Amino acid sequence: TQLLEQSPQFLSIQEGENLTVYCNSSSVFSSLQWYRQEPGEGPVLLVTVVTGGEVKKLKRLTFQFGDARKDSSLHITAAQPGDTGLYLCAEGSNAGNMLTFGGGTRLMVKP
Amino acid sequence: KAGVTQTPRYLIKTRGQQVTLSCSPISGHRSVSWYQQTPGQGLQFLFEYFSETQRNKGNFPGRFSGRQFSNSRSEMNVSTLELGDSALYLCASSLDGDSYNEQFFGPGTRLTVL
Repeated sequence: TQLLEQSPQFLSIQEGENLTVYCNSSSVFSSLQWYRQEPGEGPVLLVTVVTGGEVKKLKRLTFQFGDARKDSSLHITAAQPGDTGLYLCAEGSNAGNMLTFGGGTRLMVKP
Repeated sequence: KAGVTQTPRYLIKTRGQQVTLSCSPISGHRSVSWYQQTPGQGLQFLFEYFSETQRNKGNFPGRFSGRQFSNSRSEMNVSTLELGDSALYLCASSLDGDSYNEQFFGPGTRLTVL
């Protein structure tokens, strides 16, 4: 069974700071997705990465997929209070729509 | 296009009762998956339905079951509720045919078992 580990588990920073969160796997990812979940809501897809070494940018968010496709990182530049939430990485399955999630990083950005 | 809707949003039950949760996927989406989210175990996959058939199943006891209707709407049922079933139950829909399994989540049903 694929195990996804996210670090750190919790992160509290001031507005304007930069941060990076990580997602590591015990084996090679087929594809990796990053989600953000706000309290009382379901996760919202941010990005999907597929190719080793791939880098995707979404405004102030930069997603990187490791060359060996066993790790990924999410970097946020100049964090804002609106970035507060639970960040989850997830791997898809080749046999249907079944996601395996990491434990998440709970981010709080203080104004 | 309307998103994934789940009803009810909140539910309180007592041990031993059963519960049925409902999910309406995004129009045109044929795959519906269910997940359980708890503080201790995080987000865990329950099962997936596609074209009214269960396509994948997670590692949950038989008390957890589901079904999908011809209009792709789905229900999940939990029988003989236990305190540990208290959780946020999330439904996600997918167009399918998408090899990257991109799923769109509803807001969830928060179930409390007393």
